[in-house]
Amino acid sequence: EVQLVESGGGLVQPGGSLRLSCTASGFTFSDYIMKWVRQAPGKGLEWVSDISGSGSTTFYADSVKGRFTISRDNAKSSLFLQMNSLKDEDTAVYFCARDLYTVWGQGTLVTVSS
Amino acid sequence: QAGLTQPPSVSKGLRQTATLTCTGNNNNVGYQGATWLQQHQGHPPKLLSHRNNNRPSGISERFSASRSGNTASLTITGLQPEDEADYYCSAWDSSLSAWVFGGGTKLTVL
Repeated sequence: EVQLVESGGGLVQPGGSLRLSCTASGFTFSDYIMKWVRQAPGKGLEWVSDISGSGSTTFYADSVKGRFTISRDNAKSSLFLQMNSLKDEDTAVYFCARDLYTVWGQGTLVTVSS
Repeated sequence: QAGLTQPPSVSKGLRQTATLTCTGNNNNVGYQGATWLQQHQGHPPKLLSHRNNNRPSGISERFSASRSGNTASLTITGLQPEDEADYYCSAWDSSLSAWVFGGGTKLTVL
C-alpha cells in the first residue's frame, strides 16, 4: 500500500525551530518529486516546497524562502522540512504529498504561539 | 505569490450538475493546465484530476476537468451527498517557479 506518514509537529514559540519528517512506503521513493503543502486552521491549501527525486533541485514559496529547508534521504524513504524563525502565521497542518499531488499523508499540526 | 481565482461557494441540488471554475493566467493554468483536489472536512485532500482530465484510477467518471485558455473547469455530474466538500485547483507557475493554489470552492449539495 502506498502511504505517507508525517511526524514532528507540535507547539513552538515564535522564532523557534521545528523539523518535520515524512516517511514513505509502498513505492520507489527516489523516483518521485515530493512536496510539502500546508493548511492554516479554517483556511485553504498553500504550497510550501518541492524537491526533486535526487534532492538536487528545490523550490520554495516566497512566504518560507530563507527560513525553511526541504531535504530527503532516499535510502530511508524519508522527506524532511526544517523550519526556522517560525512565525505565528506558520501555524498550520503540514502535509507531505507525492509528485502531482497523487498521494497525501494525514498531516501534522504545527502551532506557533507564545 | 498570486493565486488562482475560484468562487468561494457553489450550491446545487441532488443529481444536478455543478461546474467549478479556476482562473489563472498564461504562466500557470494557461501553461500546463490545472490540478483538481477534493477535501472533506478533517481529511487530507484527494486528487481528482491532474493537468486537465487525467483522472487517477478509482476516481468516478462523474468528475471531469477541462480548460479554455486561462480558465480551468471541474464538472461534477449526478451530484451525490458525498460530493459535498471543498474543491481546490492548483497549477505550476512557470514565471514564479512555484505551485499556486486557488482559494477553494465549498460545494453544497442541496
